[in-house]
Amino acid sequence: DADVTQTPRNRITKTGKRIMLECSQTKGHDRMYWYRQDPGLGLRLIYYSFDVKDINKGEISDGYSVSRQAQAKFSLSLESAIPNQTALYFCATSKTSYNEQFFGPGTRLTVL
Amino acid sequence: KNQVEQSPQSLIILEGKNCTLQCNYTVSPFSNLRWYKQDTGRGPVSLTIMTFSENTKSNGRYTATLDADTKQSSLHITASQLSDSASYICVVASGGGADGLTFGKGTHLIIQP
Repeated sequence: DADVTQTPRNRITKTGKRIMLECSQTKGHDRMYWYRQDPGLGLRLIYYSFDVKDINKGEISDGYSVSRQAQAKFSLSLESAIPNQTALYFCATSKTSYNEQFFGPGTRLTVL
Repeated sequence: KNQVEQSPQSLIILEGKNCTLQCNYTVSPFSNLRWYKQDTGRGPVSLTIMTFSENTKSNGRYTATLDADTKQSSLHITASQLSDSASYICVVASGGGADGLTFGKGTHLIIQP
Protein backbone atom coordinates (compact mmCIF):
# COMPACT_ATOMS: atom_id res chain seq x y z
CA ASP A 1 0.00 0.00 0.00
CA ALA A 2 1.15 3.55 -0.76
CA ASP A 3 2.59 5.54 2.16
CA VAL A 4 0.85 8.78 1.11
CA THR A 5 -2.57 8.62 -0.50
CA GLN A 6 -4.75 11.35 -1.94
CA THR A 7 -8.44 11.38 -2.79
CA PRO A 8 -9.90 12.04 -5.23
CA ARG A 9 -7.30 11.51 -7.95
CA ASN A 10 -9.26 13.54 -10.46
CA ARG A 11 -12.03 16.06 -9.98
CA ILE A 12 -13.94 18.34 -12.31
CA THR A 13 -16.08 21.00 -10.68
CA LYS A 14 -17.74 24.29 -11.43
CA THR A 15 -16.91 27.81 -10.39
CA GLY A 16 -18.22 28.63 -6.92
CA LYS A 17 -18.39 25.05 -5.65
CA ARG A 18 -16.74 23.95 -2.43
CA ILE A 19 -14.15 21.23 -2.87
CA MET A 20 -12.19 19.16 -0.37
CA LEU A 21 -9.04 17.23 -1.21
CA GLU A 22 -7.93 14.64 1.29
CA CYS A 23 -4.52 13.27 2.19
CA SER A 24 -3.63 10.34 4.41
CA GLN A 25 -0.22 8.97 5.36
CA THR A 26 1.04 5.85 7.08
CA LYS A 27 4.63 6.99 7.55
CA GLY A 28 4.05 8.34 11.05
CA HIS A 29 5.42 11.76 10.11
CA ASP A 30 4.34 14.86 11.97
CA ARG A 31 4.96 17.25 9.08
CA MET A 32 2.49 17.48 6.22
CA TYR A 33 2.29 19.87 3.29
CA TRP A 34 0.00 20.86 0.44
CA TYR A 35 1.46 22.04 -2.88
CA ARG A 36 0.02 22.98 -6.23
CA GLN A 37 1.84 22.49 -9.50
CA ASP A 38 1.20 24.45 -12.66
CA PRO A 39 3.01 23.98 -15.97
CA GLY A 40 6.17 26.05 -16.05
CA LEU A 41 5.83 27.23 -12.46
CA GLY A 42 7.02 24.27 -10.46
CA LEU A 43 5.70 23.29 -7.05
CA ARG A 44 4.33 26.05 -4.81
CA LEU A 45 3.50 25.67 -1.13
CA ILE A 46 -0.11 26.31 -0.08
CA TYR A 47 -0.17 25.26 3.60
CA TYR A 48 1.94 23.19 5.94
CA SER A 49 1.47 21.62 9.35
CA PHE A 50 4.10 20.54 11.87
CA ASP A 51 1.56 18.74 14.05
CA VAL A 52 -2.17 18.61 14.68
CA LYS A 53 -2.19 21.97 16.47
CA ASP A 54 0.30 23.78 14.24
CA ILE A 55 -0.88 24.98 10.83
CA ASN A 56 0.87 27.60 8.74
CA LYS A 57 0.23 29.48 5.54
CA GLY A 58 2.54 28.97 2.63
CA GLU A 59 3.38 31.07 -0.39
CA ILE A 60 -0.08 30.93 -2.02
CA SER A 61 -2.71 30.30 0.68
CA ASP A 62 -5.36 32.78 -0.52
CA GLY A 63 -8.55 30.97 -1.53
CA TYR A 64 -7.58 27.81 0.35
CA SER A 65 -8.06 26.45 3.87
CA VAL A 66 -6.83 23.29 5.58
CA SER A 67 -7.73 20.97 8.41
CA ARG A 68 -5.41 18.58 10.25
CA GLN A 69 -7.84 16.03 11.65
CA ALA A 70 -5.16 13.70 13.00
CA GLN A 71 -1.46 13.09 12.63
CA ALA A 72 -2.20 10.98 9.56
CA LYS A 73 -4.78 13.21 7.85
CA PHE A 74 -4.50 16.64 6.27
CA SER A 75 -7.29 18.07 4.11
CA LEU A 76 -7.26 20.99 1.71
CA SER A 77 -10.44 22.92 0.96
CA LEU A 78 -11.34 25.36 -1.76
CA GLU A 79 -14.29 27.27 -0.30
CA SER A 80 -15.43 28.72 -3.61
CA ALA A 81 -13.48 27.28 -6.51
CA ILE A 82 -12.39 29.50 -9.39
CA PRO A 83 -10.92 28.53 -12.78
CA ASN A 84 -7.37 29.67 -11.96
CA GLN A 85 -7.30 27.03 -9.22
CA THR A 86 -7.18 24.42 -11.95
CA ALA A 87 -3.92 22.60 -11.23
CA LEU A 88 -2.28 19.43 -9.98
CA TYR A 89 -2.31 19.27 -6.17
CA PHE A 90 0.18 17.27 -4.12
CA CYS A 91 0.30 16.33 -0.49
CA ALA A 92 3.67 15.56 1.07
CA THR A 93 5.05 14.43 4.43
CA SER A 94 8.44 14.52 6.08
CA LYS A 95 9.99 13.43 9.34
CA THR A 96 11.68 16.77 9.90
CA SER A 97 12.35 19.84 7.80
CA TYR A 98 15.82 18.46 7.09
CA ASN A 99 14.62 15.12 5.71
CA GLU A 100 13.32 14.25 2.28
CA GLN A 101 9.66 14.70 1.55
CA PHE A 102 7.38 11.88 0.46
CA PHE A 103 4.74 12.95 -2.02
CA GLY A 104 1.31 11.54 -2.73
CA PRO A 105 0.19 10.64 -6.25
CA GLY A 106 -1.55 13.98 -6.79
CA THR A 107 -5.07 15.22 -7.46
CA ARG A 108 -5.83 16.75 -10.83
CA LEU A 109 -8.45 19.45 -10.25
CA THR A 110 -10.29 21.20 -13.07
CA VAL A 111 -12.54 24.16 -12.30
CA LEU A 112 -14.87 25.09 -15.15
CA LYS B 1 15.41 36.25 -2.17
CA ASN B 2 16.24 32.53 -2.24
CA GLN B 3 16.26 31.11 -5.75
CA VAL B 4 16.95 27.81 -7.48
CA GLU B 5 17.62 27.87 -11.22
CA GLN B 6 17.70 24.70 -13.28
CA SER B 7 19.04 24.19 -16.76
CA PRO B 8 18.26 23.20 -19.35
CA GLN B 9 14.46 23.57 -19.17
CA SER B 10 14.11 20.55 -21.42
CA LEU B 11 16.41 18.00 -22.95
CA ILE B 12 16.03 15.22 -25.50
CA ILE B 13 18.64 12.47 -25.74
CA LEU B 14 18.87 9.02 -27.28
CA GLU B 15 18.52 5.90 -25.19
CA GLY B 16 21.87 4.72 -23.88
CA LYS B 17 23.46 8.16 -23.85
CA ASN B 18 24.58 10.04 -20.75
CA CYS B 19 23.35 13.47 -19.70
CA THR B 20 23.92 16.08 -17.02
CA LEU B 21 21.35 18.41 -15.51
CA GLN B 22 22.35 21.59 -13.72
CA CYS B 23 21.09 23.37 -10.61
CA ASN B 24 22.36 26.73 -9.40
CA TYR B 25 21.10 28.19 -6.18
CA THR B 26 21.23 31.33 -4.10
CA VAL B 27 19.87 30.04 -0.80
CA SER B 28 21.14 31.05 2.58
CA PRO B 29 21.69 29.53 5.03
CA PHE B 30 22.18 26.20 3.31
CA SER B 31 21.01 22.96 4.92
CA ASN B 32 20.82 20.39 2.15
CA LEU B 33 20.11 19.91 -1.54
CA ARG B 34 17.71 17.33 -2.95
CA TRP B 35 17.04 15.93 -6.38
CA TYR B 36 13.61 14.50 -7.14
CA LYS B 37 12.34 12.59 -10.16
CA GLN B 38 8.76 13.22 -11.22
CA ASP B 39 7.11 10.99 -13.79
CA THR B 40 4.32 12.63 -15.77
CA GLY B 41 1.15 12.91 -13.69
CA ARG B 42 2.74 11.43 -10.56
CA GLY B 43 4.27 12.74 -7.36
CA PRO B 44 8.00 13.52 -7.10
CA VAL B 45 10.23 10.79 -5.72
CA SER B 46 13.49 11.49 -3.93
CA LEU B 47 16.71 10.49 -5.71
CA THR B 48 19.38 11.99 -3.46
CA ILE B 49 19.81 14.38 -0.58
CA MET B 50 23.18 16.02 0.03
CA THR B 51 24.48 18.06 2.92
CA PHE B 52 27.20 20.70 2.90
CA SER B 53 29.98 18.18 3.49
CA GLU B 54 28.98 15.79 0.70
CA ASN B 55 30.19 16.53 -2.82
CA THR B 56 29.07 13.34 -4.58
CA LYS B 57 26.23 10.93 -4.02
CA SER B 58 25.00 8.09 -6.20
CA ASN B 59 21.74 6.23 -6.55
CA GLY B 60 22.13 3.57 -9.20
CA ARG B 61 22.70 5.27 -12.55
CA TYR B 62 22.07 8.69 -10.98
CA THR B 63 25.02 10.63 -9.56
CA ALA B 64 24.59 14.01 -7.94
CA THR B 65 27.42 16.43 -7.26
CA LEU B 66 27.47 19.47 -5.04
CA ASP B 67 29.87 22.39 -4.99
CA ALA B 68 28.85 24.45 -1.98
CA ASP B 69 31.44 27.12 -2.74
CA THR B 70 30.01 27.95 -6.16
CA LYS B 71 26.46 26.97 -5.11
CA GLN B 72 26.07 24.54 -7.97
CA SER B 73 24.82 21.00 -8.22
CA SER B 74 24.52 18.59 -11.10
CA LEU B 75 22.66 15.35 -11.69
CA HIS B 76 24.40 12.95 -14.06
CA ILE B 77 22.44 10.11 -15.62
CA THR B 78 24.49 7.26 -17.04
CA ALA B 79 23.37 4.95 -19.84
CA SER B 80 19.91 6.47 -20.04
CA GLN B 81 16.82 4.29 -20.31
CA LEU B 82 13.34 5.06 -21.60
CA SER B 83 12.10 5.01 -17.99
CA ASP B 84 14.35 7.99 -17.21
CA SER B 85 11.95 10.20 -19.17
CA ALA B 86 10.61 12.51 -16.46
CA SER B 87 11.04 15.92 -14.86
CA TYR B 88 13.93 16.32 -12.46
CA ILE B 89 13.48 18.83 -9.68
CA CYS B 90 16.23 20.42 -7.58
CA VAL B 91 15.21 21.55 -4.09
CA VAL B 92 17.36 23.43 -1.60
CA ALA B 93 16.60 23.46 2.11
CA SER B 94 17.70 26.30 4.33
CA GLY B 95 17.79 26.04 8.09
CA GLY B 96 14.43 24.47 8.90
CA GLY B 97 10.80 25.41 8.53
CA ALA B 98 8.60 24.46 5.61
CA ASP B 99 9.13 27.80 3.96
CA GLY B 100 12.85 27.00 4.07
CA LEU B 101 12.44 24.83 0.97
CA THR B 102 13.13 26.48 -2.39
CA PHE B 103 12.06 24.51 -5.44
CA GLY B 104 13.50 24.73 -8.93
CA LYS B 105 11.09 24.56 -11.85
CA GLY B 106 12.60 21.33 -13.08
CA THR B 107 14.26 19.96 -16.20
CA HIS B 108 12.01 17.94 -18.49
CA LEU B 109 14.02 15.02 -19.89
CA ILE B 110 12.88 12.91 -22.82
CA ILE B 111 14.70 9.72 -23.75
CA GLN B 112 14.14 8.65 -27.34
CA PRO B 113 14.63 5.06 -28.53
